[in-house]
Amino acid sequence: KQEVTQIPAALSVPEGENLVLNCSFTDSAIYNLQWFRQDPGKGLTSLLLIQSSQREQTSGRLNASLDKSSGRSTLYIAASQPGDSATYLCAVRNNNAGNMLTFGGGTRLMVKP
Amino acid sequence: GAGVSQSPSNKVTEKGKDVELRCDPISGHTALYWYRQSLGQGLEFLIYFQGNSAPDKSGLPSDRFSAERTGGSVSTLTIQRTQQEDSAVYLCASSWNYEQYFGPGTRLTVT
Repeated sequence: KQEVTQIPAALSVPEGENLVLNCSFTDSAIYNLQWFRQDPGKGLTSLLLIQSSQREQTSGRLNASLDKSSGRSTLYIAASQPGDSATYLCAVRNNNAGNMLTFGGGTRLMVKP
Repeated sequence: GAGVSQSPSNKVTEKGKDVELRCDPISGHTALYWYRQSLGQGLEFLIYFQGNSAPDKSGLPSDRFSAERTGGSVSTLTIQRTQQEDSAVYLCASSWNYEQYFGPGTRLTVT
């Protein structure tokens, strides 16, 4: 059974810092990996999707990398801003587990002005 | 364009009552998913619909939970004889390729 872990569970940084969020998964037979952002009381917003054949994806100040063989992904946020404060979730879609996503527990990020 | 919408946004119900939660997916999306997000459990998959195929119900926690999708569009998640442990945020997502787009969720509180 796929298990997804995110470290740290919570992170507080001053504005302007670069930061890295970590995601690990136990079964490397994944189809893709997706990073989401969730604001309090809101749904999930997709940030980046990395197919299993890709190594990284970039969108603005965000860069997500994928090392499938070691079961790891990182989300890099450059020059953090208070508006980046949210919970960040990673989720994987397995090759052999239908089409559902298996989610990590999330990292709650606070960027202080 | 319009995203995934869900209704109601909040629902408070008494233990033992039945509830229906609605999801309107993005137009043209063939796949629809229901997930549950509860404290201490994270986000869990419940059920998946793809076109006219039989749904994947492998995530439903008990036979009190059921879902249907009419006309390949709107979906309803029904919870019968609600229990306090059913309290959670129920999220719906739709997709047409491999990226899932989520609605704002329905917060269910069972008293």
